[in-house]
Amino acid sequence: DAGITQSPRYKITETGRQVTLMCHQTWSHSYMFWYRQDLGHGLRLIYYSAAADITDKGEVPDGYVVSRSKTENFPLTLESATRSQTSVYFCASSDGGAQGSYEQYFGPGTRLTVT
Amino acid sequence: GQSLEQPSEVTAVEGAIVQINCTYQTSGFYGLSWYQQHDGGAPTFLSYNALDGLEETGRFSSFLSRSDSYGYLLLQELQMKDSASYFCAVRDQGGSYIPTFGRGTSLIVHP
Repeated sequence: DAGITQSPRYKITETGRQVTLMCHQTWSHSYMFWYRQDLGHGLRLIYYSAAADITDKGEVPDGYVVSRSKTENFPLTLESATRSQTSVYFCASSDGGAQGSYEQYFGPGTRLTVT
Repeated sequence: GQSLEQPSEVTAVEGAIVQINCTYQTSGFYGLSWYQQHDGGAPTFLSYNALDGLEETGRFSSFLSRSDSYGYLLLQELQMKDSASYFCAVRDQGGSYIPTFGRGTSLIVHP
């Protein structure tokens, strides 16, 4: 199916565990993003990638690791989960303005709870 | 640094017109986007303004004044389904698109 997908949609994990959130897009968009959304904070950028093998930090990168070996995939790993990382995580992709609108396409989100 | 200000909540009645404002302070400016997000859903793109003026798309319009560092989203003929959060986002880097989002405005439409 065309589009942007995230897995899992829901995840409960324990403090200290490593967890990886997956993101896959089928448009061959150059840009991919990871956001977290918490009540009162809107969307905060964790990491982004402008192309395969190019990643950079966003506003709140601490405790997270990303990689992008293939254009279509952009996994986000929490190396040692903490309760403060309980949040809804959104992946997004964009063609970086190639079509002039700079539209971001968001995945359905992953609701992560760290106990 | 960058900052965007939006009202946290706006209420209106069905059929009315509502305006959601966004003011920004950024080191650079290349465009302002608007996104809609329903409870439990993902943000979806509504509009993008790079130049001053009003852009209309159906019942929704978006306005930008670069000299005032200000934009707004105008929703006409409000419907119950318009109840959602609305985010403005600034593109502040040329040659790329790494947006900065505002904290969002919760729009509540009453019958």
